[in-house]
Amino acid sequence: DVKVTQSSRYLVKRTGEKVFLECVQDMDHENMFWYRQDPGLGLRLIYFSYDVKMKEKGDIPEGYSVSREKKERFSLILESASTNQTSMYLCASSLVSGGANVLTFGAGSRLTVL
Amino acid sequence: AQSVTQLDSHVSVSEGTPVLLRCNYSSSYSPSLFWYVQHPNKGLQLLLKYTSAATLVKGINGFEAEFKKSETSFHLTKPSAHMSDAAEYFCVVSLTGTASKLTFGTGTRLQVTL
Repeated sequence: DVKVTQSSRYLVKRTGEKVFLECVQDMDHENMFWYRQDPGLGLRLIYFSYDVKMKEKGDIPEGYSVSREKKERFSLILESASTNQTSMYLCASSLVSGGANVLTFGAGSRLTVL
Repeated sequence: AQSVTQLDSHVSVSEGTPVLLRCNYSSSYSPSLFWYVQHPNKGLQLLLKYTSAATLVKGINGFEAEFKKSETSFHLTKPSAHMSDAAEYFCVVSLTGTASKLTFGTGTRLQVTL
């Protein structure tokens, strides 16, 4: 089975801190994604990457950056955390199967910014 | 442009009765459609996908969904609910054959009572 591992399940940070969220997948998938999940809003795409060192902005990239130095690892960076970035963050990787982009998700990282 | 609307934010059923979770979509092109399930404190798991083959799609755990182009719907059903089905369900649309971003619905929380 494909496994997507997010290094931290729960984090508590202070306003203004720099935050790194790490994600590793073990099945050689080309595409990786970072989503933010908030109640009543579903999942919103922050950034995605379709290859090493390649990235594209999603729907809500403001306040975030990403890094993909190796194919298996995709990091989300909050340069200066703010309270409105308190959320659940979900990483995913994908394989295009039968014409469909099928995502495999990690368990999520719940970030609280005080 | 594409969008997806989950018509109910919360559905409650008794164990052993049918489940219906409703989803309508909008897409300019031939869409791929998915249902994902999220159990508490877990990542999202793929239930089933539609990619322009058979319009009735069978998924895991007895769930199925029917693609109805004329109604732009992709409702999720199960003949008999089980307590373990209690979770949040997301309907998702994307363009077929691409690795582009997906658009998630806002989710339907399914409650199963004894």
